Amino acid sequence: GAVVSQHPSWVICKSGTSVKIECRSLDFQATTMFWYRQFPKQSLMLMATSNEGSKATYEQGVEKDKFLINHASLTLSTLTVTSAHPEDSSFYICSASRFDNEQFFGPGTRLTVL
Amino acid sequence: EDQVTQSPEALRLQEGESSSLNCSYTVSGLRGLFWYRQDPGKGPEFLFTLYSAGEEKEKERLKATLTKKESFLHITAPKPEDSATYLCAVQASGTDKLIFGTGTRLQVFP
Repeated sequence: GAVVSQHPSWVICKSGTSVKIECRSLDFQATTMFWYRQFPKQSLMLMATSNEGSKATYEQGVEKDKFLINHASLTLSTLTVTSAHPEDSSFYICSASRFDNEQFFGPGTRLTVL
Repeated sequence: EDQVTQSPEALRLQEGESSSLNCSYTVSGLRGLFWYRQDPGKGPEFLFTLYSAGEEKEKERLKATLTKKESFLHITAPKPEDSATYLCAVQASGTDKLIFGTGTRLQVFP
């Protein structure tokens, strides 16, 4: 099956610091990658869509200067939460779209901002 | 506006008691309908993608079906390990984005 990894799986940081989360498709090249945020007992909220070598497309209400997305290759996308604050604490999940349109999710990253 | 509604919100089943989960959708042209399983604290696990009305797919105790307005996920003789939240998502024509429903939380008791 198709595997997507995320690193780190959890991170605790102080308010005001920046945190980078990596998303990799391990056994396929991803045509598109997506970043989601999920609050407890809620569904997934799409934050942005990214394609290799181009700027990410952010959903309405998502601050592009706060959530920086870089899509360096067909297998790697990164999300950087800049100047994190406690309200940014959440579960961040990436997904990758394969050539056949099937989308596979990473295991998620739990971010806690103190 | 594209929308996905899942029902019931929660479902408790006895082991072996078959049932169905519903996913109703409105979308401006369906490109695909996706089913995922999510365990607590983990990312969603891909189950199925359906593309046209009448299509059916099966995997072990799960069977997904699709009509022009809704999809069903049938669970036959469930086991406790089937306990999870099942998420449905639609993808509109011309886009790669998925629009998720709020999920059905399934608990299967021995």
